[in-house]
This record gives sequence, structure tokens and C-alpha cells, in this order.
Amino acid sequence: GAGVSQSPSNKVTEKGKDVELRCDPISGHTALYWYRQSLGQGLEFLIYFQGNSAPDKSGLPSDRFSAERTGGSVSTLTIQRTQQEDSAVYLCASSLLGEGAAFFGQGTRLTVV
Amino acid sequence: GENVEQHPSTLSVQEGDSAVIKCTYSDSASNYFPWYKQELGKRPQLIIDIRSNVGEKKDQRIAVTLNKTAKHFSLHITETQPEDSAVYFCAASGGSNYKLTFGKGTLLTVNP
Repeated sequence: GAGVSQSPSNKVTEKGKDVELRCDPISGHTALYWYRQSLGQGLEFLIYFQGNSAPDKSGLPSDRFSAERTGGSVSTLTIQRTQQEDSAVYLCASSLLGEGAAFFGQGTRLTVV
Repeated sequence: GENVEQHPSTLSVQEGDSAVIKCTYSDSASNYFPWYKQELGKRPQLIIDIRSNVGEKKDQRIAVTLNKTAKHFSLHITETQPEDSAVYFCAASGGSNYKLTFGKGTLLTVNP
């Protein structure tokens, strides 16, 4: 595609529910990143994929968070039993090989009420 | 793993002045250093990048310098304008697992 696409753009969910966030990277990009950004804060690293494998998942805050990537393309970030502190903008980025420019999606704004 | 430190966390300048943001990195194997600008409510966007085989790169009012020996790199913005106001992030990659590691960001405010 022309750019990194994320869906949904906005998600409001009730505390305790599960949510799935989707990222569709730029075609051919092997590296894919998930970051979390709270209001006015920096980019909190969550997980990094190279192809379908995740060499670094050290940023996942708890075992309620998981992510997968299939076919070296689309990635899904799943948050189980959501909590209010999970409210943030979740950003996805992709790059050609991981050693180059990364391009960000528009993000998913998650609000847990 | 890689660790990127960024300073200052906030920077306020008058329109027309220059602004400098500095970053240091820890992994000597890193060889790619991009800078991103994030305006309020928008996604981070790449504004300039540099690879380790050069020491300086310019693009109009923006320049980046790299000192591999000292493991630091800097963003220089000259003749600042109000539309330069944003959060700027530095990053480094190319280490053992090619992961892109970001600094914590600098909020730049350009006062008219």
C-alpha cells in the first residue's frame, strides 16, 4: 500500500474486554514495530518483528499483551482484559529491512472506560 | 541492547534563532540515525537521517551531525519558524538486531 495503515482509528472499550488492533505495513517492509504513546509522552516500545518472528518483545507491559504477524505482512496487537491504564495511542511503524527509515501509521486511539 | 539519550526535553527559542537537539547512543554497532518530527495529534514523520559513513547532512534549514567516536549526533534547525514547533525524536538502529530505538523526545517551541 501507499503507507502504513492502522485500524480502527479509534476504539472505546469497556474495562475487562479484549481488543485487537491491526497494522498493515508498507508492502515489502520486513520490519514492523508497535509503540504506545500516552498523552504528551514519548514513544514506548512494545514489540519488534523481523518477518514473522519477534526478536524483541521486551516492551510488552504484561502477559495481557500479545502480538502476531502472519505472512510477513499484517500484524495484530491483542490486549486482553483491558484496564484503564491501557488507554493510549498505539502506533505501528514499518521499515524495509529494520536498518532504515521507519514510517508510521496514523495510530489507534484506545480508550478504556 | 541499544540505549538512546536525548537532551533537552524542552527547548524554547525565538523565531529566527537556531535550535540544537543532542542525542547519545550506546551501541557502537549502530549505523543509522533518523530524526522524526511529531506535531500535536499527528504521527511521527521522518525529517532527516544520516548513516555512519558521513559526518554531516543538510536539507535546507535542517542539518544533522554525527560523531561516531563519541557516539553522539545532533539536529540543528536554523532560522526557526513557528511551524517548527513540535516534538522531535532521535533514533538509532543497525545494532545486533537492527531494532530502531528512540530517544524520549524534545518539545521545541518557537515563539513568534
